[in-house]
Amino acid sequence: GAVVSQHPSWVICKSGTSVKIECRSLDFQATTMFWYRQFPKQSLMLMATSNEGSKATYEQGVEKDKFLINHASLTLSTLTVTSAHPEDSSFYICSANLPSGGSSDTQYFGPGTRLTVL
Amino acid sequence: DAKTTQPNSMESNEEEPVHLPCNHSTISGTDYIHWYRQLPSQGPEYVIHGLTSNVNNRMASLAIAEDRKSSTLILHRATLRDAAVYYCILSSYGKLTFGQGTILTVHP
Repeated sequence: GAVVSQHPSWVICKSGTSVKIECRSLDFQATTMFWYRQFPKQSLMLMATSNEGSKATYEQGVEKDKFLINHASLTLSTLTVTSAHPEDSSFYICSANLPSGGSSDTQYFGPGTRLTVL
Repeated sequence: DAKTTQPNSMESNEEEPVHLPCNHSTISGTDYIHWYRQLPSQGPEYVIHGLTSNVNNRMASLAIAEDRKSSTLILHRATLRDAAVYYCILSSYGKLTFGQGTILTVHP
């Protein structure tokens, strides 16, 4: 149980185009999902918290107009990188919160999406 | 967010136990101790978490100090598939802040 998928697993796009990444919780409902970014040889950095039916909460320094997040259902969140540039090339990873009561919720992660912007 | 400190790297031999330490001296009363691991080019995998008592699951054991200022992840018999970056993270109400983690190398 607690499987999270991402699509696509990798994408190559031209500078200036937009790219949409999907994150799905396959066997549970997630009211909260998270989006992370990971550059080579670095740790994961939280970009935003996505709550079903409401606006995402972005971390400091993350441009909300560039990284559009939609969490339209309890099993799907999307991240759209708008007007992508080479510096946006990174490994994007989503996670979904599996509620277990109180503050011990566990996050289950997707396999990640490798974005390369030419 | 409360910070954790882990060794940059550790090595082990296959089929031997591995003890991965983590210091978290500024832990608050509501912080849970979570462990995740990440293989190259994959998303992190949940390993185990706990609050005060030691915890066991099919993957590992988590030993938590009585004062909660440190913890140890125990892999009872390391396999080559356990080679990964292990992250010790304090979490309160869902949000995770990843540090640099410990790179575990397992020798055959």
